[in-house]
Amino acid sequence: GNSVTQMEGPVTLSEEAFLTINCTYTATGYPSLFWYVQYPGEGLQLLLKATKADDKGSNKGFEATYRKETTSFHLEKGSVQVSDSAVYFCALSEAGGSYIPTFGRGTSLIVHP
Amino acid sequence: KAGVTQTPRYLIKTRGQQVTLSCSPISGHRSVSWYQQTPGQGLQFLFEYFSETQRNKGNFPGRFSGRQFSNSRSEMNVSTLELGDSALYLCASSLAGTSSYNSPLHFGNGTRLTVT
Repeated sequence: GNSVTQMEGPVTLSEEAFLTINCTYTATGYPSLFWYVQYPGEGLQLLLKATKADDKGSNKGFEATYRKETTSFHLEKGSVQVSDSAVYFCALSEAGGSYIPTFGRGTSLIVHP
Repeated sequence: KAGVTQTPRYLIKTRGQQVTLSCSPISGHRSVSWYQQTPGQGLQFLFEYFSETQRNKGNFPGRFSGRQFSNSRSEMNVSTLELGDSALYLCASSLAGTSSYNSPLHFGNGTRLTVT
């Protein structure tokens, strides 16, 4: 079956530091890949997505590149802000599948001033 | 365009009681999914409804049930509540067309259920 593995958190950074959150996946076919973010007290919201190999998704300064050879979709940001403090979820969804995405367990990010 | 609306935001119930949660999807979205989120188990899929039919189901006991109405609004019901049912319950809607695997989920802000 499909699976998504994320690095465990919390990830604690100072403001303006570089962020990487690792995500690797296992899928039987050619999935679409997503990053969702959950701010305190809210539901998840889509941050970015990529639908084929070598695609780069980007939004709000965050980027992730679909790497089929390493089955990875790592999230990066060059300079984090306190307002980026949230939980980040990596997910995949597969064509011909059950329409239900597979989510990772989430990685908490804490950014200090 | 209005987002996904979940009501109520907070609920406190006693063991053995039952509870009904409501979800109004984004206009035009025909698929509604429900998730349970807890610190220990993370995000767990409960079930998905599409055009009033349950299309997918997660690994939860029969005490958890749901339905979807003709206007795509959905409700989930938990009967005989247990302490372990305390969680954030999230509803998500999506277009769910033939290329739905590319369509992201749109989540509501959830209902926080506390069972005492």
